[in-house]
Amino acid sequence: ETGVTQSPTHLIKTRGQQVTLRCSSQSGHNTVSWYQQALGQGPQFIFQYYREEENGRGNFPPRFSGLQFPNYSSELNVNALELDDSALYLCASSRGTGASYEQYFGPGTRLTVT
Amino acid sequence: RKEVEQDPGPFNVPEGATVAFNCTYSNSASQSFFWYRQDCRKEPKLLMSVYSSGNEDGRFTAQLNRASQYISLLIRDSKLSDSATYLCVVNNGNTGKLIFGQGTTLQVKP
Repeated sequence: ETGVTQSPTHLIKTRGQQVTLRCSSQSGHNTVSWYQQALGQGPQFIFQYYREEENGRGNFPPRFSGLQFPNYSSELNVNALELDDSALYLCASSRGTGASYEQYFGPGTRLTVT
Repeated sequence: RKEVEQDPGPFNVPEGATVAFNCTYSNSASQSFFWYRQDCRKEPKLLMSVYSSGNEDGRFTAQLNRASQYISLLIRDSKLSDSATYLCVVNNGNTGKLIFGQGTTLQVKP
């Protein structure tokens, strides 16, 4: 196991609601990245957090936002949920932000929007 | 054109077979390359990083050809437990943005 944990495991929400997903990074890792994986597709990068600030963002609207805390754990918040937000949300932690740092994934949160 | 392209398969092979997966990437400035393995409804797990000199880990060998922008993964002596989706992954720059291919599905049969 990687040591990266996520909560909750599963979540069902209604369109228009808001959701918060949580991630604890592996010991010794200071960087957390979030990904969205739709069924049958590879994960898509949402954003990365380092030193409690956003450090790079993918092609996701502003209703996707995040936080990182001093202990390096992180939250992903999604407002005004849409049906297309139904996906597996993965967080990954790494020792740093550079391209060579390997990223290790948590088990994910499966979000269903009805 | 997708930034990272893989043949989605599925590849159906018998136990003991050798199987090769290929992947191409579009950005010549790409810096880091990885193979991840993902089991059904689970998270991706890092299989190996891919270096310019090529690297081997047991039955798995990864190769990188920067000139052709091509990455490969070779699995020798396939086991039933190798059945999974194999994701080709590229990191283009100094941020943590990993770019994933669609994945190639491998089914190893007895």
